[in-house]
Amino acid sequence: AQTVTQSQPEMSVQEAETVTLSCTYDTSESDYYLFWYKQPPSRQMILVIRQEAYKQQNATENRFSVNFQKAAKSFSLKISDSQLGDAAMYFCAFPNSGGSNYKLTFGKGTLLTVNP
Amino acid sequence: KAGVTQTPRYLIKTRGQQVTLSCSPISGHRSVSWYQQTPGQGLQFLFEYFSETQRNKGNFPGRFSGRQFSNSRSEMNVSTLELGDSALYLCASSLAGGQGNEQFFGPGTRLTVL
Repeated sequence: AQTVTQSQPEMSVQEAETVTLSCTYDTSESDYYLFWYKQPPSRQMILVIRQEAYKQQNATENRFSVNFQKAAKSFSLKISDSQLGDAAMYFCAFPNSGGSNYKLTFGKGTLLTVNP
Repeated sequence: KAGVTQTPRYLIKTRGQQVTLSCSPISGHRSVSWYQQTPGQGLQFLFEYFSETQRNKGNFPGRFSGRQFSNSRSEMNVSTLELGDSALYLCASSLAGGQGNEQFFGPGTRLTVL
């Protein structure tokens, strides 16, 4: 079974600084996707960034980027120029099973605090 | 386009009762998934529906059931409620449920069982 591990329950960062959230996963599949979701206090889960495993290039979305190491099964999220609105719980997620059926397995989450 | 909507937003029930939660996906989305979120267990997959058929089911007892209607709206039902069923229930929709398809989440239904 696929597993997703986020080893940092909590992280804090100063506004305008950079922070990296870690995620490791385990899978026997060779082609898959990985996601980072953000859940602010409002509880609405929002997709932050998506990485396709067959792509060598790390995904980037504005201030958010990933460091994807396929061999090491590592998928970290870097937030640059942190803003107060980035404060949230961040979940790494991995879709189980191939084909057109899938379900997301989430890590336990990392609570990010942004200090002014 | 309107986002995923869930009703009700908050619910208080007592042990032994049953409850039905509703989810309306984004227009055109045919896949609806349900997740349970608790402080102890985190986010856990309940089930996924596509075109009125359950395609995936998580490791939950039979008290948890669901269905999807022809308009893609979905309901989940929990019978004989237990204290441990208190959780945030999240619904997510996607176009076809494929691996790369983004899942769009609703705001959730907060269920409290007393």
